[in-house]
Amino acid sequence: DAGVIQSPRHEVTEMGQEVTLRCKPISGHNSLFWYRQTMMRGLELLIYFNNNVPIDDSGMPEDRFSAKMPNASFSTLKIQPSEPRDSAVYFCASSPNTPGVRYGYTFGSGTRLTVV
Amino acid sequence: ELKVEQNPLFLSMQEGKNYTIYCNYSTTSDRLYWYRQDPGKSLESLFVLLSNGAVKQEGRLMASLDTKARLSTLHITAAVHDLSATYFCAGKSSSGTYKYIFGTGTRLKVLA
Repeated sequence: DAGVIQSPRHEVTEMGQEVTLRCKPISGHNSLFWYRQTMMRGLELLIYFNNNVPIDDSGMPEDRFSAKMPNASFSTLKIQPSEPRDSAVYFCASSPNTPGVRYGYTFGSGTRLTVV
Repeated sequence: ELKVEQNPLFLSMQEGKNYTIYCNYSTTSDRLYWYRQDPGKSLESLFVLLSNGAVKQEGRLMASLDTKARLSTLHITAAVHDLSATYFCAGKSSSGTYKYIFGTGTRLKVLA
């Protein structure tokens, strides 16, 4: 398996522009998570889906953030309009409903977003 | 909701020394995970601890869980430079959910 695949790896955009981050979870994993990591706030859970349905979006910081999971193999996280304070590394992770006894989430490589 | 606290936040240690990272969590969590993150990289799962008294070991790392004390520890034995990384623990937010809350991380630097 190729693991959790995120794109792009790096994104530099100007303030006010729309940014779309993409994630392909591991096939067969029912849960998908979007995290944001910054030095100041650490690792924050933004939203998670189970069986393509958003379950908890309480971590989404503002209405400028939205996430979708149209099918089991694809999810997007969109920021519109972007602001410099959105600069962070965004991770996508996936997991079976019963995370394995050996492993928890599987994380993607992350998207490093810089808003200038 | 579950809160997860780790200490210390930063740890600088000499090669060959032993040390322990602590992970306290605020409410019941039916499992506890440990992850490792190298600078600029993603998070890699190390251990999952499922029950009180569980102990897992791999190489120089040993993780344990005390559910009564709501405490997990990651013990490092005879540290080597390759163990330099940030270590996170994560607990399950609440029952009936697949949501996990991560601690702040412990940044470990092993000095040669």
